[in-house]
Amino acid sequence: GENVEQHPSTLSVQEGDSAVIKCTYSDSASNYFPWYKQELGKRPQLIIDIRSNVGEKKDQRIAVTLNKTAKHFSLHITETQPEDSAVYFCAARGGSNYKLTFGKGTLLTVNP
Amino acid sequence: NAGVTQTPKFQVLKTGQSMTLQCAQDMNHEYMSWYRQDPGMGLRLIHYSVGAGITDQGEVPNGYNVSRSTTEDFPLRLLSAAPSQTSVYFCASSYSTDYTEAFFGQGTRLTVV
Repeated sequence: GENVEQHPSTLSVQEGDSAVIKCTYSDSASNYFPWYKQELGKRPQLIIDIRSNVGEKKDQRIAVTLNKTAKHFSLHITETQPEDSAVYFCAARGGSNYKLTFGKGTLLTVNP
Repeated sequence: NAGVTQTPKFQVLKTGQSMTLQCAQDMNHEYMSWYRQDPGMGLRLIHYSVGAGITDQGEVPNGYNVSRSTTEDFPLRLLSAAPSQTSVYFCASSYSTDYTEAFFGQGTRLTVV
């Protein structure tokens, strides 16, 4: 089955800096890659996603890039703010099944 | 529009007891799934369903049963609770199996003593 590796597990940045979280996946047939943000004690919520036929997608301060050949995708957050502090999960959906497999998460702390 | 509703929010069980975690969605979503979240382990898929009457196993199905008799409901049954099942459980639903957002319920924090 699909295996999703996420790095780093923790990331601490100063307010205004950029943050990058990287994920790799194992199933070359995977075709959908969402990113979720989970604040403490809350449910995960989608922040951005990308399909396998797209290399990059941007939404204000958030961007995701996908390299299908290398089977990795990354989340980029620019001009970080304290409210960006949360756990971020990457995920991959297999092409031949409907399972959404998550990485283990990255705890992002933005220091004022 | 309630979205995805899970009950209960908190539960304490004794080892060997059984219980059902309820999940309901009012968005007419085809796809529903159950995850468990443990510290440092991310979200692990327990069972999922691509439509009424259809269920399949995820990554960690042992000790859990599901059924999908209606589009709206997807209950998760713990057959004989074990301390290893202490976790936070999330139900999620998506409009389809295609490239669509998964909406999560608020979670159920289960402790097995």
